[in-house]
Amino acid sequence: DTGVSQNPRHKITKRGQNVTFRCDPISEHNRLYWYRQTLGQGPEFLTYFQNEAQLEKSRLLSDRFSAERPKGSFSTLEIQRTEQGDSAMYLCASTPRGQSEQYFGPGTRLTVT
Amino acid sequence: DAKTTQPNSMESNEEEPVHLPCNHSTISGTDYIHWYRQLPSQGPEYVIHGLTSNVNNRMASLAIAEDRKSSTLILHRATLRDAAVYYCILRNYGQNFVFGPGTRLSVLP
Repeated sequence: DTGVSQNPRHKITKRGQNVTFRCDPISEHNRLYWYRQTLGQGPEFLTYFQNEAQLEKSRLLSDRFSAERPKGSFSTLEIQRTEQGDSAMYLCASTPRGQSEQYFGPGTRLTVT
Repeated sequence: DAKTTQPNSMESNEEEPVHLPCNHSTISGTDYIHWYRQLPSQGPEYVIHGLTSNVNNRMASLAIAEDRKSSTLILHRATLRDAAVYYCILRNYGQNFVFGPGTRLSVLP
């Protein structure tokens, strides 16, 4: 039984470049969440999928951010025209149907130079 | 916006019990109390949750005040591996989790 996996674990990019992160949830978990975490703070909610439908987006998710979950399995989070303020840990979590516990992946640490 | 208040940090000695407090004076009748913890360089990990009654699992116990305005996460015997940031979160059905800064627990050998 594998947990939530995220790739890559680390990404260094130059300002203005686009980046894409991938999250593979636990098998058969129907809900998937993306969070962003900066140093010393708790995770901040970005967006949420139930199966393939994106049901909620935080106002933190500017139009440079887009997330998809085709076929309701893995999800991708893309950031276009990265800015230094985008540097953070991006966390993915999944939840099984009928439960509330979130199972988090190890995160992708993004550094924008 | 986080609706809970936790101390910034706490210390415990190894093999002693730890009581991590959380105040949530504005809790509604349908808010569940959730606890997660985050070990260094890892994503958060579910610990326990409850509504009104005290709850126990293999990781910890959750003691909820009778008026539900506060709760305490109890680690019965702290180990070095329990050093982490502990988050207390209120969540109503269908809402998203709102994490505050949490309590950083240090465990001394």
